[in-house]
Amino acid sequence: GENVEQHPSTLSVQEGDSAVIKCTYSDSASNYFPWYKQELGKRPQLIIDIRSNVGEKKDQRIAVTLNKTAKHFSLHITETQPEDSAVYFCAASHNNAGNMLTFGGGTRLMVKP
Amino acid sequence: NAGVTQTPKFRVLKTGQSMTLLCAQDMNHEYMYWYRQDPGMGLRLIHYSVGEGTTAKGEVPDGYNVSRLKKQNFLLGLESAAPSQTSVYFCASSYPNTGELFFGEGSRLTVL
Repeated sequence: GENVEQHPSTLSVQEGDSAVIKCTYSDSASNYFPWYKQELGKRPQLIIDIRSNVGEKKDQRIAVTLNKTAKHFSLHITETQPEDSAVYFCAASHNNAGNMLTFGGGTRLMVKP
Repeated sequence: NAGVTQTPKFRVLKTGQSMTLLCAQDMNHEYMYWYRQDPGMGLRLIHYSVGEGTTAKGEVPDGYNVSRLKKQNFLLGLESAAPSQTSVYFCASSYPNTGELFFGEGSRLTVL
């Protein structure tokens, strides 16, 4: 089955700096790659996703890039703010419906004011 | 809309006891899922359902059973709880082709 590796497991940055979280996946058939943000004690929420026919997607300060050849995708957060502090999960699945999502182990991002 | 609601939010069980977690969604979603979340291991899929009356195994189904008798409800059962099932359980739902999962608030289960 699919295996998703996520790095780093923890990331500390100064407010205003950029943060990058990287994920690799094993199954070349995967074609949907979402990112979820989970604040402390809260439920995970989708922040951005990308499908395999697109190489990059941006939404304000957040961007995701996908390299299908290398089977890795990354989350980029620019101009980080304290409210960006959370655990971020990447995931991959075979189809665009989201069922059978395989999640990475998570990255705890801490933004220091 | 309440979205996805899970009950109970917290539960402590002794080894060997049984319990059921209830998930209810009011968004008319076809798909529903049960995940468990353990430190450093992300979210792992236990079972899922693509419609009323259907269920399927996910990545870590052993020790759990599920039922989807009504479209809006998805039940997760533990017949004989074990300490290894101590975890935070999340229910989620989605439409078939949008990809986005809507999660409940989670249920923290401790098995002593």
